[in-house]
Amino acid sequence: NAGVTQTPKFQVLKTGQSMTLQCAQDMNHEYMSWYRQDPGMGLRLIHYSVGAGITDQGEVPNGYNVSRSTTEDFPLRLLSAAPSQTSVYFCASSYGLAGAQSSYEQYFGPGTRLTVT
Amino acid sequence: AQTVTQSQPEMSVQEAETVTLSCTYDTSENNYYLFWYKQPPSRQMILVIRQEAYKQQNATENRFSVNFQKAAKSFSLKISDSQLGDTAMYFCAFMKHTGNQFYFGTGTSLTVIP
Repeated sequence: NAGVTQTPKFQVLKTGQSMTLQCAQDMNHEYMSWYRQDPGMGLRLIHYSVGAGITDQGEVPNGYNVSRSTTEDFPLRLLSAAPSQTSVYFCASSYGLAGAQSSYEQYFGPGTRLTVT
Repeated sequence: AQTVTQSQPEMSVQEAETVTLSCTYDTSENNYYLFWYKQPPSRQMILVIRQEAYKQQNATENRFSVNFQKAAKSFSLKISDSQLGDTAMYFCAFMKHTGNQFYFGTGTSLTVIP
């Protein structure tokens, strides 16, 4: 049981480049989400998914796309990287409302540090 | 919208002493869940403790306990017998009972001094 995995751990992009941050979980969680963490701002929700084929926007969705074709995977795409997207990105998953009452907490991946120059 | 406020950006405590981290939140919901997460220098987010709003009893996990004041919308974390490994950023988080989204505070950086 690997939990939530993210690749890559570090990435440097030039302005205008595109890339995909990978996220996978092996806990059969329905709910998955992407956050970005910036100094002094905590974690802010980018996009989330309540199940395969269903995604929705969070607080800061601009410049990012997501899809959820399987329960396990939830990739985050940067369409045209900008310096403002320099951040640490976390993927998280949980059973959500479909799970047991004691299982609402989110499990986080190790994060991806992205730098856009 | 829900907001979570952590008013202490940085705190320090002597090893073996007790420290309390503050968290307040704003919501019109009656049923919800509250969490404290720890983020050590490794960057990994680790769940410390959780509290269901419908439970009056404060949650406890070993050296970690909360003081949940629903009417005041306050959810503070008490760390007893502080250890060097407690040095980390601590985030308070809120989740509505009817949704899966988490709302995080801006974090408190805690340093345990030997």
